[in-house]
Amino acid sequence: NAGVMQNPRHLVRRRGQEARLRCSPMKGHSHVYWYRQLPEEGLKFMVYLQKENIIDESGMPKERFSAEFPKEGPSILRIQQVVRGDSAAYFCASSPSSTYEQYFGPGTRLTVT
Amino acid sequence: GNSVTQMEGPVTLSEEAFLTINCTYTATGYPSLFWYVQYPGEGLQLLLKATKADDKGSNKGFEATYRKETTSFHLEKGSVQVSDSAVYFCALSDRGQGAQKLVFGQGTRLTINP
Repeated sequence: NAGVMQNPRHLVRRRGQEARLRCSPMKGHSHVYWYRQLPEEGLKFMVYLQKENIIDESGMPKERFSAEFPKEGPSILRIQQVVRGDSAAYFCASSPSSTYEQYFGPGTRLTVT
Repeated sequence: GNSVTQMEGPVTLSEEAFLTINCTYTATGYPSLFWYVQYPGEGLQLLLKATKADDKGSNKGFEATYRKETTSFHLEKGSVQVSDSAVYFCALSDRGQGAQKLVFGQGTRLTINP
């Protein structure tokens, strides 16, 4: 059973460009969570999604950030018009429907130049 | 809101030393508690967990006990190895709006010297 997959692993964008991060959950997992890790800090929750639904986006910045988890395909975290402060590691986690345990992907390290 | 506070790092020990990484939390209700480990360049791996007061989680020689009276979940290992060098995160589950989102401490970087 493959683990949570994220791509790309490293992404470089210039200020003002768009960043698109992908997450494929583990097989059989329908719950996806996105977290952001700023340098030398812990992970901060951003958004929780189930298939085709955003359940909790209380940690998402109000502007430029959006997330989706379509019926088919990976979950996507989109950052429009990136700024230097968006440079961070973005981790995706997935879980089955009825446990607390979340399985994390390897992360996407976004660098904004 | 809920929060987690961890012992500041970095922590440097010699091989076979005893390890303690302190973790305290603030939460309403009765969250589950977790320790995650992050090796260089990798994602987080669940190390151990405890779901109710007085539970002890253990794995790979590490253990932590859920102490409700002191709101703590300290990580311990009796004899560390070089391969234990990593960043350790304490976390709690925060079931807001039905989500099982995790609230993390800031992480403690551990280095074990041979």
